[in-house]
Amino acid sequence: QKEVEQNSGPLSVPEGAIASLNCTYSDRGSQSFFWYRQYSGKSPELIMFIYSNGDKEDGRFTAQLNKASQYVSLLIRDSQPSDSATYLCAAEMNRDDKIIFGKGTRLHILP
Amino acid sequence: DGGITQSPKYLFRKEGQNVTLSCEQNLNHDAMYWYRQDPGQGLRLIYYSQIVNDFQKGDIAEGYSVSREKKESFPLTVTSAQKNPTAFYLCASSIPTGYYHSNQPQHFGDGTRLSIL
Repeated sequence: QKEVEQNSGPLSVPEGAIASLNCTYSDRGSQSFFWYRQYSGKSPELIMFIYSNGDKEDGRFTAQLNKASQYVSLLIRDSQPSDSATYLCAAEMNRDDKIIFGKGTRLHILP
Repeated sequence: DGGITQSPKYLFRKEGQNVTLSCEQNLNHDAMYWYRQDPGQGLRLIYYSQIVNDFQKGDIAEGYSVSREKKESFPLTVTSAQKNPTAFYLCASSIPTGYYHSNQPQHFGDGTRLSIL
Protein backbone atom coordinates (compact mmCIF):
# COMPACT_ATOMS: atom_id res chain seq x y z
CA GLN A 1 0.00 0.00 0.00
CA LYS A 2 1.56 3.26 -1.14
CA GLU A 3 1.50 5.87 1.59
CA VAL A 4 2.35 9.43 2.48
CA GLU A 5 3.06 9.97 6.16
CA GLN A 6 2.87 13.19 8.16
CA ASN A 7 3.00 13.98 11.85
CA SER A 8 -0.53 15.08 12.77
CA GLY A 9 0.68 17.75 15.21
CA PRO A 10 -0.32 20.22 16.37
CA LEU A 11 2.97 21.95 15.68
CA SER A 12 3.18 25.20 17.63
CA VAL A 13 5.58 27.87 16.36
CA PRO A 14 6.05 31.44 17.65
CA GLU A 15 5.13 34.25 15.31
CA GLY A 16 8.10 35.31 13.21
CA ALA A 17 9.91 31.96 13.57
CA ILE A 18 10.46 29.28 10.91
CA ALA A 19 7.87 26.51 10.75
CA SER A 20 9.18 23.18 9.42
CA LEU A 21 6.69 20.60 8.17
CA ASN A 22 7.82 17.14 7.17
CA CYS A 23 6.49 14.31 5.04
CA THR A 24 7.75 10.87 4.00
CA TYR A 25 6.49 8.74 1.13
CA SER A 26 6.68 5.03 0.47
CA ASP A 27 6.88 4.83 -3.33
CA ARG A 28 10.50 5.28 -4.42
CA GLY A 29 9.27 5.90 -7.96
CA SER A 30 7.26 9.02 -7.07
CA GLN A 31 8.39 12.05 -9.01
CA SER A 32 5.95 14.87 -8.17
CA PHE A 33 5.17 16.30 -4.75
CA PHE A 34 2.68 18.90 -3.60
CA TRP A 35 1.95 20.92 -0.48
CA TYR A 36 -1.57 22.18 0.17
CA ARG A 37 -2.84 24.43 2.94
CA GLN A 38 -6.32 23.78 4.32
CA TYR A 39 -8.05 26.14 6.71
CA SER A 40 -10.69 24.64 8.98
CA GLY A 41 -13.90 24.01 7.06
CA LYS A 42 -12.37 25.03 3.73
CA SER A 43 -10.97 23.22 0.72
CA PRO A 44 -7.23 22.68 0.15
CA GLU A 45 -5.28 25.33 -1.72
CA LEU A 46 -1.98 24.67 -3.48
CA ILE A 47 1.08 26.20 -1.80
CA MET A 48 4.02 24.61 -3.59
CA PHE A 49 4.95 21.75 -5.89
CA ILE A 50 8.38 20.26 -6.43
CA TYR A 51 9.75 17.71 -8.88
CA SER A 52 13.55 17.86 -8.46
CA ASN A 53 15.88 17.12 -5.58
CA GLY A 54 16.86 20.20 -3.64
CA ASP A 55 15.08 23.37 -2.63
CA LYS A 56 12.40 25.41 -4.34
CA GLU A 57 11.54 28.84 -2.93
CA ASP A 58 8.42 30.94 -3.40
CA GLY A 59 8.15 33.97 -1.16
CA ARG A 60 8.14 32.86 2.48
CA PHE A 61 7.76 29.20 1.48
CA THR A 62 10.53 26.72 0.64
CA ALA A 63 9.87 23.14 -0.43
CA GLN A 64 12.70 20.66 0.01
CA LEU A 65 12.91 17.25 -1.67
CA ASN A 66 15.30 14.41 -0.91
CA LYS A 67 14.43 11.44 -3.12
CA ALA A 68 17.16 9.22 -1.67
CA SER A 69 15.59 9.55 1.78
CA GLN A 70 12.02 9.72 0.37
CA TYR A 71 11.46 12.90 2.32
CA VAL A 72 9.72 16.18 1.51
CA SER A 73 9.54 19.23 3.71
CA LEU A 74 7.96 22.66 3.72
CA LEU A 75 9.57 25.60 5.48
CA ILE A 76 7.58 28.71 6.27
CA ARG A 77 9.75 31.71 7.16
CA ASP A 78 8.54 34.65 9.25
CA SER A 79 5.46 32.67 10.35
CA GLN A 80 2.26 34.66 10.66
CA PRO A 81 -0.95 33.84 12.58
CA SER A 82 -2.65 33.52 9.17
CA ASP A 83 -0.38 30.53 8.47
CA SER A 84 -2.25 28.56 11.15
CA ALA A 85 -3.90 25.75 9.19
CA THR A 86 -3.53 22.08 8.30
CA TYR A 87 -0.85 21.38 5.72
CA LEU A 88 -1.37 18.40 3.43
CA CYS A 89 1.53 16.70 1.68
CA ALA A 90 0.77 14.75 -1.51
CA ALA A 91 2.83 12.55 -3.83
CA GLU A 92 2.01 11.21 -7.27
CA MET A 93 1.84 7.49 -7.82
CA ASN A 94 2.63 5.80 -11.11
CA ARG A 95 2.33 8.92 -13.27
CA ASP A 96 -1.34 8.14 -13.87
CA ASP A 97 -2.70 11.45 -12.63
CA LYS A 98 -3.44 10.03 -9.20
CA ILE A 99 -1.86 11.56 -6.13
CA ILE A 100 -1.90 10.23 -2.57
CA PHE A 101 -2.48 12.65 0.29
CA GLY A 102 -1.11 12.46 3.80
CA LYS A 103 -3.47 13.11 6.70
CA GLY A 104 -1.98 16.54 7.27
CA THR A 105 -0.09 18.42 9.98
CA ARG A 106 -1.91 21.04 12.04
CA LEU A 107 0.22 24.17 12.40
CA HIS A 108 -0.51 26.73 15.10
CA ILE A 109 1.35 30.04 14.99
CA LEU A 110 1.51 31.58 18.46
CA PRO A 111 1.02 35.40 18.46
CA ASP B 1 -12.34 34.07 -13.42
CA GLY B 2 -11.46 30.45 -14.04
CA GLY B 3 -12.27 27.99 -11.32
CA ILE B 4 -14.15 24.98 -10.05
CA THR B 5 -17.72 25.31 -8.82
CA GLN B 6 -19.26 22.73 -6.54
CA SER B 7 -22.91 22.73 -5.56
CA PRO B 8 -24.69 22.59 -3.29
CA LYS B 9 -22.54 23.73 -0.36
CA TYR B 10 -24.58 21.62 2.07
CA LEU B 11 -26.69 18.56 1.29
CA PHE B 12 -28.80 16.28 3.40
CA ARG B 13 -29.65 12.73 2.42
CA LYS B 14 -32.54 10.65 3.63
CA GLU B 15 -32.08 6.94 4.10
CA GLY B 16 -32.46 5.03 0.85
CA GLN B 17 -32.07 8.13 -1.26
CA ASN B 18 -29.54 8.81 -4.01
CA VAL B 19 -28.09 12.31 -4.15
CA THR B 20 -25.98 13.99 -6.81
CA LEU B 21 -23.17 16.47 -6.17
CA SER B 22 -22.34 18.87 -8.97
CA CYS B 23 -18.84 19.85 -10.11
CA GLU B 24 -18.22 22.26 -12.98
CA GLN B 25 -14.87 23.73 -14.11
CA ASN B 26 -13.93 26.37 -16.66
CA LEU B 27 -10.18 25.83 -16.46
CA ASN B 28 -10.17 23.73 -19.64
CA HIS B 29 -8.67 20.83 -17.64
CA ASP B 30 -9.05 17.31 -19.01
CA ALA B 31 -8.59 15.51 -15.69
CA MET B 32 -11.14 15.69 -12.89
CA TYR B 33 -11.34 13.99 -9.48
CA TRP B 34 -13.65 13.35 -6.56
CA TYR B 35 -12.32 13.01 -3.03
CA ARG B 36 -13.91 12.35 0.31
CA GLN B 37 -12.53 13.86 3.52
CA ASP B 38 -13.56 12.70 6.99
CA PRO B 39 -12.72 14.70 10.14
CA GLY B 40 -9.01 14.57 10.93
CA GLN B 41 -8.33 12.52 7.83
CA GLY B 42 -6.60 13.11 4.56
CA LEU B 43 -8.30 13.03 1.19
CA ARG B 44 -9.36 9.67 -0.22
CA LEU B 45 -9.93 9.28 -3.95
CA ILE B 46 -13.41 8.12 -5.00
CA TYR B 47 -13.29 8.39 -8.81
CA TYR B 48 -11.23 10.19 -11.39
CA SER B 49 -11.50 10.93 -15.09
CA GLN B 50 -8.67 11.74 -17.45
CA ILE B 51 -10.82 12.43 -20.48
CA VAL B 52 -14.45 12.82 -21.52
CA ASN B 53 -16.50 9.60 -21.54
CA ASP B 54 -13.90 7.75 -19.46
CA PHE B 55 -13.38 7.40 -15.71
CA GLN B 56 -11.66 5.06 -13.24
CA LYS B 57 -12.41 3.92 -9.73
CA GLY B 58 -10.31 5.30 -6.94
CA ASP B 59 -9.66 3.73 -3.55
CA ILE B 60 -13.21 4.02 -2.16
CA ALA B 61 -15.57 3.83 -5.16
CA GLU B 62 -18.14 1.48 -3.62
CA GLY B 63 -21.51 3.19 -3.15
CA TYR B 64 -20.67 6.01 -5.57
CA SER B 65 -21.12 6.58 -9.30
CA VAL B 66 -19.96 9.25 -11.75
CA SER B 67 -20.37 10.34 -15.35
CA ARG B 68 -18.20 12.45 -17.62
CA GLU B 69 -20.30 13.48 -20.62
CA LYS B 70 -18.75 16.93 -20.92
CA LYS B 71 -15.22 18.18 -20.30
CA GLU B 72 -16.50 20.82 -17.91
CA SER B 73 -18.67 18.59 -15.73
CA PHE B 74 -18.05 15.59 -13.46
CA PRO B 75 -21.09 14.91 -11.23
CA LEU B 76 -20.90 12.45 -8.35
CA THR B 77 -23.89 10.39 -7.22
CA VAL B 78 -23.89 9.06 -3.69
CA THR B 79 -26.13 6.02 -3.82
CA SER B 80 -28.16 4.37 -1.08
CA ALA B 81 -25.51 1.63 -1.09
CA GLN B 82 -23.09 4.05 0.58
CA LYS B 83 -23.98 3.41 4.22
CA ASN B 84 -21.77 6.08 5.75
CA PRO B 85 -21.98 9.06 3.39
CA THR B 86 -21.48 11.85 5.94
CA ALA B 87 -18.29 13.64 4.86
CA PHE B 88 -16.80 16.64 3.09
CA TYR B 89 -16.70 15.97 -0.68
CA LEU B 90 -14.11 17.74 -2.79
CA CYS B 91 -13.87 17.98 -6.56
CA ALA B 92 -10.58 18.82 -8.24
CA SER B 93 -9.19 19.21 -11.74
CA SER B 94 -5.78 19.26 -13.39
CA ILE B 95 -3.92 19.14 -16.66
CA PRO B 96 -3.25 15.44 -17.31
CA THR B 97 0.22 14.04 -16.71
CA GLY B 98 0.47 12.97 -20.34
CA TYR B 99 0.94 16.57 -21.46
CA TYR B 100 4.10 16.93 -19.35
CA HIS B 101 6.71 14.72 -17.77
CA SER B 102 5.32 15.18 -14.26
CA ASN B 103 1.98 15.23 -12.53
CA GLN B 104 0.42 18.65 -12.57
CA PRO B 105 -1.12 20.26 -9.48
CA GLN B 106 -4.76 19.64 -8.75
CA HIS B 107 -7.01 22.61 -8.04
CA PHE B 108 -10.00 22.21 -5.77
CA GLY B 109 -13.54 23.50 -5.57
CA ASP B 110 -15.02 24.76 -2.30
CA GLY B 111 -16.54 21.40 -1.41
CA THR B 112 -19.95 19.98 -0.49
CA ARG B 113 -20.81 18.84 3.03
CA LEU B 114 -23.12 15.85 2.99
CA SER B 115 -25.02 14.71 6.06
CA ILE B 116 -27.63 12.07 6.78
CA LEU B 117 -31.06 13.19 7.95
